[in-house]
Amino acid sequence: DARVTQTPRHKVTEMGQEVTMRCQPILGHNTVFWYRQTMMQGLELLAYFRNRAPLDDSGMPKDRFSAEMPDATLATLKIQPSEPRDSAVYFCASRGGGNTGELFFGEGSRLTVL
Amino acid sequence: TQLLEQSPQFLSIQEGENLTVYCNSSSVFSSLQWYRQEPGEGPVLLVTVVTGGEVKKLKRLTFQFGDARKDSSLHITAAQTGDTGLYLCAGALGNQGGKLIFGQGTELSVKP
Repeated sequence: DARVTQTPRHKVTEMGQEVTMRCQPILGHNTVFWYRQTMMQGLELLAYFRNRAPLDDSGMPKDRFSAEMPDATLATLKIQPSEPRDSAVYFCASRGGGNTGELFFGEGSRLTVL
Repeated sequence: TQLLEQSPQFLSIQEGENLTVYCNSSSVFSSLQWYRQEPGEGPVLLVTVVTGGEVKKLKRLTFQFGDARKDSSLHITAAQTGDTGLYLCAGALGNQGGKLIFGQGTELSVKP
């Protein structure tokens, strides 16, 4: 049963700490998205990759956020240092095929920064 | 900044009623998708519309893509309690590598 896997599911940390979230896209999917979801802003696109190359990371605060795809089976989103306003649910999604294809979402990583 | 305005944000209705959710933008999209999200889970695709004016039906759900490919609507006929959830529209920007941006979502509650 192919699915997108995200870890951790929940993370509570203190302000200033580094947070790394990981995502395993569906095997064979060549496009990976990172979104952040909050009640106020909804689902915001942070960054996305095609064939491991970053296409757009304009939605990401550059000074503290970084996203990478070390290989085709792993995408990472790092926050350093974390701040309380980063508290949100972070979703990874992958897509195979063309631009109109379905996005398959992971279950999300719920981050709380105290 | 591309923006997708979704309305209403919240909707509470009785079982059996009809409803329509709207998704509007000033941007032209190569395709538009509707997702549904349940608490604690990621969004799941309901439908993709690609052609201006296209109408798709999924049982009691009817989706329409505007002629100019800037707006869309979701109509639910005879809502059921199982329709409760967060409905999200998402537009794909074809000239930006299929970048997909989401509306704010419509939180639907269907009461028995």
